[in-house]
Amino acid sequence: DSGVTQTPKHLITATGQRVTLRCSPRSGDLSVYWYQQSLDQGLQFLIQYYNGEERAKGNILERFSAQQFPDLHSELNLSSLELGDSALYFCASSQKLAPSSYNEQFFGPGTRLTVL
Amino acid sequence: DQQVKQNSPSLSVQEGRISILNCDYTNSMFDYFLWYKKYPAEGPTFLISISSIKDKNEDGRFTVFLNKSAKHLSLHIVPSQPGDSAVYFCAANSGGSNYKLTFGKGTLLTVNP
Repeated sequence: DSGVTQTPKHLITATGQRVTLRCSPRSGDLSVYWYQQSLDQGLQFLIQYYNGEERAKGNILERFSAQQFPDLHSELNLSSLELGDSALYFCASSQKLAPSSYNEQFFGPGTRLTVL
Repeated sequence: DQQVKQNSPSLSVQEGRISILNCDYTNSMFDYFLWYKKYPAEGPTFLISISSIKDKNEDGRFTVFLNKSAKHLSLHIVPSQPGDSAVYFCAANSGGSNYKLTFGKGTLLTVNP
C-alpha cells in the first residue's frame, strides 16, 4: 500500500460524457502527478500540481483539466470523452517538487476508465 | 517521438539466474533515471534510480548501470526470484525546472521456478 488513494477504481461511461477522478496523496506529500496509461503504452505524464499550483504540464488534452485543493487532494476532470480516452489513470505523490533520489513518486492503484 | 525506449516487450528467465532489462534514451538532457516495477492491478513502485554523475548504483539484488555515451541503461536482478515477475518501467528526467518523468513502455519479466 503506497498510501496514495484513488477513486473510483473502475469507471464505465459513454462518449461525450464528463467524469472526475479523485486522488488523495500520501500524508505530508505536496506534489501530485497524473499519468495516463493506454493499451500497450507506457505511462504518459499529464500534469503536476505542487501545493495547489500547477507546476508542470505534459501531453494533456484541452478536454482534460485538473486541480489540487487546499487539503492537497486532486481531481482530474475529463470531458467530451472519446473512445480513445479509455485507459488507466494513475495518480502519484511526492514530498517535494522535482524528481530526485530523495523525492520518490508513490503511485496509487489507478482508475480504469472505459468509454463505450 | 519516444524519448525512452524499452525494446523488449517481454523477458523470461529461470529462477536464480540473472535478469537484464534494457532501456535506451534519445534526449541527451536526461540526467536522472529510475526503474519502477508494476504488478497487475497495482500502481508502479519505485525500485532504484541513478544520477548521470554515476555509472552504477546497487541496492541488494538490483543494480542499475548507466552508459551515457551510448544513452543506455540496464537493470540487473541477481538472483532472479519468481516474485520479481512484473512489468518494469524505465523513466527519465532532465532536471532543472522540468519536473516530469518520461517513461518507457515497459518490459514484462517472467521468472520461472
